[in-house]
Amino acid sequence: GENVEQHPSTLSVQEGDSAVIKCTYSDSASNYFPWYKQELGKGPQLIIDIRSNVGEKKDQRIAVTLNKTAKHFSLHITETQPEDSAVYFCAAKDSNYQLIWGAGTKLIIKP
Amino acid sequence: GAVVSQHPSWVICKSGTSVKIECRSLDFQATTMFWYRQFPKQSLMLMATSNEGSKATYEQGVEKDKFLINHASLTLSTLTVTSAHPEDSSFYICSARAGTGNTIYFGEGSWLTVV
Repeated sequence: GENVEQHPSTLSVQEGDSAVIKCTYSDSASNYFPWYKQELGKGPQLIIDIRSNVGEKKDQRIAVTLNKTAKHFSLHITETQPEDSAVYFCAAKDSNYQLIWGAGTKLIIKP
Repeated sequence: GAVVSQHPSWVICKSGTSVKIECRSLDFQATTMFWYRQFPKQSLMLMATSNEGSKATYEQGVEKDKFLINHASLTLSTLTVTSAHPEDSSFYICSARAGTGNTIYFGEGSWLTVV
């Protein structure tokens, strides 16, 4: 079945710098890749997603890139701000239409 | 965007009692709802998938008689933790999907503490 790996587990960046979180997946049939942001004690919130027929998607300071050949996708956050501090999860929708989750990345924005 | 409401947001119960957590889709019909458990500093662990009007499908290792899931309508699913024990204390999160769409929306989660 699908396996999703996420790196790094913790990422600390200076405010204003960019942050990149990477995920790899194993099932070439997966066709949908969302990213969620989870703040402490709250449920995850969808921040951006991408489908397999698209290589890149952007929404203001957030972008996601997908490399189907290499089976990896990345979250890019530019001009980071303190409110970007959270845990970010990637996921891949497998051939059974279930979301398989990465382990999460704790993003720390240093002032 | 779509809203999923989860209630209660936190609950404390005595060991041996049962507690019910509700998950409602407020502005869409959720044909499928998912229940997750999350331990501190860990990823989401899928417990079960429920489709409206049918029995829930439980993940391996999840006791279906202990974690009762009911998806009686297109906007409501409930998780009942029966005969709760301290080890059941956790953060429980539901999510919902409209039709066969890709997008899944999460509730705010429910903190359960069993004392």
